[in-house]
Amino acid sequence: GIQVEQSPPDLILQEGANSTLRCNFSDSVNNLQWFHQNPWGQLINLFYIPSGTKQNGRLSATTVATERYSLLYISSSQTTDSGVYFCAVEGPRAAGNKLTFGGGTRVLVKP
Amino acid sequence: DAGVTQSPTHLIKTRGQHVTLRCSPISGHKSVSWYQQVLGQGPQFIFQYYEKEERGRGNFPDRFSARQFPNYSSELNVNALLLGDSALYLCASSLGRRSYGYTFGSGTRLTVV
Repeated sequence: GIQVEQSPPDLILQEGANSTLRCNFSDSVNNLQWFHQNPWGQLINLFYIPSGTKQNGRLSATTVATERYSLLYISSSQTTDSGVYFCAVEGPRAAGNKLTFGGGTRVLVKP
Repeated sequence: DAGVTQSPTHLIKTRGQHVTLRCSPISGHKSVSWYQQVLGQGPQFIFQYYEKEERGRGNFPDRFSARQFPNYSSELNVNALLLGDSALYLCASSLGRRSYGYTFGSGTRLTVV
């Protein structure tokens, strides 16, 4: 099946810093989503971005489908940005209707 | 509009018991998927249901089963619980069989003792 790798696995930031999270995937995808999982376990959808660039406030994401990677940018980080960020992809139709998640990037923003 | 709702939020069961978890999708969404997330890992796909039919199954034993009802809500059943079944169980809702994005519920945290 499709493989999804996220880097770095852990990230410690000072409040106000900028950061980039990376997601590499091993096959073509029909869907790619970035999620933020809060301490209570809720997976919050940040972006639906199978290709192109999107921005939402301090967050933005870019997916280069032909090169099989996606980037999530966090600017002017805040303590509320702490948590685990997951990249998840839905592969070609033959692979079935499911999201495959990466291992996540654990982000801690210090005040 | 209500999001994806799951019940119960927390559950403690004994090894060998049976458990039923419930999920209601976003209104208008016809597809429900179930995922298992053990501590420290990303969620793993268990099932997808669309229009009341199973459309995908992950690498889980036959102790795991699910169904979808005419109102598109869904149940996940796990028989003969093992300690290793302790996890956060997440339900995801999407508009169609092939998604336009998945929205997740808050999950049910199952502890097997």
